[in-house]
Amino acid sequence: KQEVTQIPAALSVPEGENLVLNCSFTDSAIYNLQWFRQDPGKGLTSLLLIQSSQREQTSGRLNASLDKSSGRSTLYIAASQPGDSATYLCAVSSGSARQLTFGSGTQLTVLP
Amino acid sequence: DAGVIQSPRHEVTEMGQEVTLRCKPISGHNSLFWYRQTMMRGLELLIYFNNNVPIDDSGMPEDRFSAKMPNASFSTLKIQPSEPRDSAVYFCASSLFDRGNQPQHFGDGTRLSIL
Repeated sequence: KQEVTQIPAALSVPEGENLVLNCSFTDSAIYNLQWFRQDPGKGLTSLLLIQSSQREQTSGRLNASLDKSSGRSTLYIAASQPGDSATYLCAVSSGSARQLTFGSGTQLTVLP
Repeated sequence: DAGVIQSPRHEVTEMGQEVTLRCKPISGHNSLFWYRQTMMRGLELLIYFNNNVPIDDSGMPEDRFSAKMPNASFSTLKIQPSEPRDSAVYFCASSLFDRGNQPQHFGDGTRLSIL
């Protein structure tokens, strides 16, 4: 059974800092890995999707990497802003239904 | 383009009542997922449809839960009878299932409170 772990559970940084969020998964037989953002009381917004054959994806200030063999992914946020404050969820797609298995998330607070 | 649309946004009802949650996936998407989010268990997959056919319902917690997808543009998740432990946020997501990898797009969820 696929298990996804995210560390840290919470992170507080001053505005302008670069930061890294970590995600690990137990079964390397994945189709892809997605990073989501969730604001309080809201749904999930897909930030980046990395296919199993890829090593990284970039979108603006976000860069996600994938090391499938070691079961690890990182989300790098450059020059953090207060608007980046949210919970970031990592999810891996695996199994016959390509269902997503989610980590418990990292709650990020960027202080002005 | 409209995203995944869920209704109602909030539902408060008494224990024992029937609850129906609704979802309209993104037009053209052929996969639909129902998830439940709680503080204790995080996000869990309940059931998955492909081309309107339920493929995997192993995540449905009990027989009190049922889901249907009568056509490509509509799905329901029903709880009958409801219990306080069913209180959670229920999300619907859709994607285009093909040989490639497509992201799942989520609705804003239905926040369900069973008193």
